[in-house]
Amino acid sequence: GEDVEQSLFLSVREGDSSVINCTYTDSSSTYLYWYKQEPGAGLQLLTYIFSNMDMKQDQRLTVLLNKKDKHLSLRIADTQTGDSAIYFCAERGNQAGTALIFGKGTTLSVSS
Amino acid sequence: GAVVSQHPSWVICKSGTSVKIECRSLDFQATTMFWYRQFPKQSLMLMATSNEGSKATYEQGVEKDKFLINHASLTLSTLTVTSAHPEDSSFYICSLAPVSGANVLTFGAGSRLTVL
Repeated sequence: GEDVEQSLFLSVREGDSSVINCTYTDSSSTYLYWYKQEPGAGLQLLTYIFSNMDMKQDQRLTVLLNKKDKHLSLRIADTQTGDSAIYFCAERGNQAGTALIFGKGTTLSVSS
Repeated sequence: GAVVSQHPSWVICKSGTSVKIECRSLDFQATTMFWYRQFPKQSLMLMATSNEGSKATYEQGVEKDKFLINHASLTLSTLTVTSAHPEDSSFYICSLAPVSGANVLTFGAGSRLTVL
């Protein structure tokens, strides 16, 4: 079945860049997503990328996709303390009515 | 943008009681609704997929008689945790796929269930 893997923790200093990595196994994944979850809160969609794209940039966020290696990354430039949260990578197939499959989440800790 | 209302946002109940969680789309119609469960410090695990007017499809290991899902309309789905036990304590989140087939699924804010 589908599997999405992420490293569990990342610690950076304020102002540095953060890179969160994700690998997935389903080669039919059509859309790949990054969500942010703050403590006790729901999910916030940060960005998503279609599988025929290599890169997508949105303000401080850059998503890189290596479809050959099934590797997805999220780069946060100029990381702030407010970026501290859990970041989930998720993938979704192309069929209508397909759910998102989530990774275990990467806890990002930003120190000042 | 698409808005999903999920409530209650948190509920505490006694063991053996049933709890109903509602997920409602406010400004769009949802063909398919998904229910996820998230245990503390863990990922979201898909519990079931429901399509309007038909029976839900449950993931392996999820008891359909314990987690009753009703998707009576294109804007409302409910999850009822029957005879809840402490091990059912979790964060339950719904997600809706719009009829339009948009790429982005909208998530509810989640419902935190604590069973005493």
